[in-house]
Amino acid sequence: EAGVAQSPRYKIIEKRQSVAFWCNPISGHATLYWYQQILGQGPKLLIQFQNNGVVDDSQLPKDRFSAERLKGVDSTLKIQPAKLEDSAVYLCASSPQRGYRSYEQYFGPGTRLTVT
Amino acid sequence: AQKVTQAQTEISVVEKEDVTLDCVYETRDTTYYLFWYKQPPSGELVFLIRRNSFDEQNEISGRYSWNFQKSTSSFNFTITASQVVDSAVYFCALVMNRDDKIIFGKGTRLHILP
Repeated sequence: EAGVAQSPRYKIIEKRQSVAFWCNPISGHATLYWYQQILGQGPKLLIQFQNNGVVDDSQLPKDRFSAERLKGVDSTLKIQPAKLEDSAVYLCASSPQRGYRSYEQYFGPGTRLTVT
Repeated sequence: AQKVTQAQTEISVVEKEDVTLDCVYETRDTTYYLFWYKQPPSGELVFLIRRNSFDEQNEISGRYSWNFQKSTSSFNFTITASQVVDSAVYFCALVMNRDDKIIFGKGTRLHILP
């Protein structure tokens, strides 16, 4: 079974530029998560999708971050415009259903973003 | 407020030694879930264990064992006879049943020296 795919693996941009990350979850997984992991910290949930609907985006900085999962499969996370503090690893994860209580998450390798 | 504290930022041990990673959590909820994840150098987090607040039995899986003590709000993780492949960052995490939000600790970087 193929794992969670993410691209690109690395990205370097200047502040105020835009960037987009792509995630393809494990086939058949209904729930998709985007996390931000700043160096030296644990992951922080940005947004959670159940199929193509948003379940939780309470920690997503909506003035500059956006995400979509139009067909309920792959997803794109965008930052526009980027700030220096956005430098982090962006992790995508998926699970068969919603709920950390019952379903473990499978993580992708992440995209390391450096904003200069 | 909910919180997960991993006080050990970095640990180094020699191969074959036992090592314990500490995790202390804070929550006022009575129903919650605790997790451990491993993050190897490749980057993706790997699920290790999930434990609910009503199950205080310790668990052993091969060289890994977990000690859950509600009295001290701790969920510690022990690796017995450590191996170089155990080198990684380990995260403890907490999920409250009422809002299903996950909170990660800052992680402990474990170095197993050959």
